[in-house]
Amino acid sequence: KQEVTQIPAALSVPEGENLVLNCSFTDSAIYNLQWFRQDPGKGLTSLLLIQSSQREQTSGRLNASLDKSSGRSTLYIAASQPGDSATYLCAFQGGSEKLVFGKGTKLTVNP
Amino acid sequence: GAVVSQHPSRVICKSGTSVKIECRSLDFQATTMFWYRQFPKQSLMLMATSNEGSKATYEQGVEKDKFLINHASLTLSTLTVTSAHPEDSSFYICSASLPALAGADEQFFGPGTRLTVL
Repeated sequence: KQEVTQIPAALSVPEGENLVLNCSFTDSAIYNLQWFRQDPGKGLTSLLLIQSSQREQTSGRLNASLDKSSGRSTLYIAASQPGDSATYLCAFQGGSEKLVFGKGTKLTVNP
Repeated sequence: GAVVSQHPSRVICKSGTSVKIECRSLDFQATTMFWYRQFPKQSLMLMATSNEGSKATYEQGVEKDKFLINHASLTLSTLTVTSAHPEDSSFYICSASLPALAGADEQFFGPGTRLTVL
């Protein structure tokens, strides 16, 4: 059974700091690794999707990397802002269409 | 593009009633839709996979008679929570699958429906 683990569960940083969120998965047969943002009481916003043939994807201040051999992905957020405060979820997509989610990292960026 | 809507966004009902939640792909046709539930401070758990014109596939532990799923068209799937009880109170989120040229299809998520059963 595929398991997705996210560390840390919560993170609080001052504004302007660069930070890294971690995601690990147990099954190396991966199609996609996707990072989402979820604001309280809201749905999911897709941030970055990395296909298995890719090593990283970038969008603005966000950079996500994928290392299939070690079963890890990281989400790097540069120059964090209070508006970045949210829960960040990573999701593994294997041979089926199903997504397996981690429990998320709750990020708080303090002004 | 790839927008998914859900209706209603929030519903409060009495125990024993049935509640229907709609999930629509607004600008694309989705042969596959997914239903998830999320308890407070927990991650999303897949409940079922819904394919247009066929019966839904439920995950282990999900009661198909309690959570009725209908996928009548390529843009609409509905989840009906029958005889709802307080333990069914949760955040329900749907997603619609957009076919990819290569690799696995990408899912796009609706804004979610907060169900509270009194």
